[in-house]
Order: sequence, then C-alpha cells, then structure tokens
Amino acid sequence: EAGVAQSPRYKIIEKRQSVAFWCNPISGHATLYWYQQILGQGPKLLIQFQNNGVVDDSQLPKDRFSAERLKGVDSTLKIQPAKLEDSAVYLCASSPRLAVQETQYFGPGTRLLVL
Amino acid sequence: DQQVKQNSPSLSVQEGRISILNCDYTNSMFDYFLWYKKYPAEGPTFLISISSIKDKNEDGRFTVFLNKSAKHLSLHIVPSQPGDSAVYFCAASSGSARQLTFGSGTQLTVLP
Repeated sequence: EAGVAQSPRYKIIEKRQSVAFWCNPISGHATLYWYQQILGQGPKLLIQFQNNGVVDDSQLPKDRFSAERLKGVDSTLKIQPAKLEDSAVYLCASSPRLAVQETQYFGPGTRLLVL
Repeated sequence: DQQVKQNSPSLSVQEGRISILNCDYTNSMFDYFLWYKKYPAEGPTFLISISSIKDKNEDGRFTVFLNKSAKHLSLHIVPSQPGDSAVYFCAASSGSARQLTFGSGTQLTVLP
C-alpha cells in the first residue's frame, strides 16, 4: 500500500512570495489533515478535511493560507504572501475515517524556508 | 497554552536498558493518547496508543502507561535498541473531529 505522498520535499522562497504544497493521501482515506511543524515544536493542525468538506480550519491563518481538497482526494495548501515565520515543515496526514481509534498516517513533509 | 507537554527535550540510554519517555496533559477531555516516532526527513509514524478506559497497553518492546488522575502518560521501551533513536511525540485527541494535539517531542538516543 502506497503511503501519503507530498511534493515538493523542499522549497526556498523570499518573503511576500507565494508557494503551494501538494498532498496525495493513501487511497480510500476519507480524512485528510495539514499540519505545520516549526523547528523544536510538535506538529500543529492547520486544517482537517472529511472527503472534500472542511471539518475544522480554526487554526488556519486565513488571511494568507488557503487549502482545498477537490474531489475528496488530492489536496493543496497555499501560502500567499509568505512571511518569515512560515518557515516550517508542512505535513500532510490521512486516515480512513473519523473514528476514536483511527491512526493518522503522515507523509514525509515539505520543508519550507522563507528568506 | 500547551495542552500536551513533553518536558524532556532529550534522553540518552544505553543499548539493552529501559527507555522511559514522559508526557503530561492538561485537558481532561482527551480520551485517546498516541505515541509517534519520527526519523529525520521523514513524517511521524504511529507507534502505540491507549484509550482513556485503560491504564496500560503493550505491543512487543513498547508499553504505554496512562495515569488519568495525574494526567500523565509514559512510554517504556525494553530493551532499547540503537534503531530506536528518533524523536518521540506524544499526542492526544478528543471530540468528534478526533484532532491530534502534539507535544514538542523528546529526542531519544540509544547508545551502542
């Protein structure tokens, strides 16, 4: 079974530029998550999708971050414009469904550096 | 406000000995707890979990203990192996959305 795929793996941009990350979850997984992991901290949830609907985006900085999950499969996360403090690893995870004991499977992440 | 805390950023243990990683939480609504392991340049991988109705769960060399009254959980690895060297994250979830709240991680180094 293929895991969660993410691209690109690394991205360097200047502040005020735009950037987009892509995630392909495990086939059949209904729930998809985007996390931000700043160096020295644990992953922090940005947005959660159930199929192509948003379950929770309360921690997403909506003035600059946006995310979509078209057709309930792939997802993209965009930052526009980027700030220095957006430098982090962006992790995508998926799980089969919303359930108490459902494991989240993580992709390798995209490491973003904003200069 | 950190709801899940891992107060030890790092831990070194000799190969073959026991590793004990600790985690504290403040939100009494958390009802499911997980440990993830992370190698450099990889995403976190699920290791072991425990429901709040239990106080212990065991899987091979890994055991998680939950003390609800103290709002504390720990991960025991026995015996520790060099391949266990990684960052370990404690996470907790609650509610219908099952969102995970992570601690800041503990870097475990197992010395040969």
